Amino acid sequence: NAGVTQTPKFQVLKTGQSMTLQCAQDMNHNSMYWYRQDPGMGLRLIYYSASEGTTDKGEVPNGYNVSRLNKREFSLRLESAAPSQTSVYFCASSEGVQRELFFGSGTQLSVL
Amino acid sequence: KNEVEQSPQNLTAQEGEFITINCSYSVGISALHWLQQHPGGGIVSLFMLSSGKKKHGRLIATINIQEKHSSLHITASHPRDSAVYICAVTGNQFYFGTGTSLTVIP
Repeated sequence: NAGVTQTPKFQVLKTGQSMTLQCAQDMNHNSMYWYRQDPGMGLRLIYYSASEGTTDKGEVPNGYNVSRLNKREFSLRLESAAPSQTSVYFCASSEGVQRELFFGSGTQLSVL
Repeated sequence: KNEVEQSPQNLTAQEGEFITINCSYSVGISALHWLQQHPGGGIVSLFMLSSGKKKHGRLIATINIQEKHSSLHITASHPRDSAVYICAVTGNQFYFGTGTSLTVIP
């Protein structure tokens, strides 16, 4: 079982470039999430999708867009990367907010 | 605003020591999670609990709902336990602590 698969693992961008982080889960979960992790701070929610076809903003959505392509896939797009978006990004999924959370392996993103 | 507070932030222990990491929260919750993150690695769920105590190998998690407090204990610690341990709670969303960085020295 792959669980939550997240790509790429590493990425370096120049300011202003765009990129999409891909995430797929094979556990038939309804809920999917994108978090960023910065030193000294807890995981912060960027966007989430409670079910296929719905997306909602989290705590830090500015500069990001998401697409819930189908029940399996939830992508995160940076349209014009900024140095403040240098971070480690995690995709996660769960049956619902009351259930266990499963994480992808993370994407280390540097914006120069 | 910090809905979830962990202590200590950093912890160094000798191999074999008994370790306790604490988590306090301020929101109403339906469950509490303990997560483990190895350096450069992903995040895995260790426990999800809503009452009492759970045990898995050398790890024990307890929760006191009335006091809004949870502890993660590691018995007979080993260098492979070195990781960041994250407390998270679920109310209407997930709230995460900033983590406790544990180093176990041989």
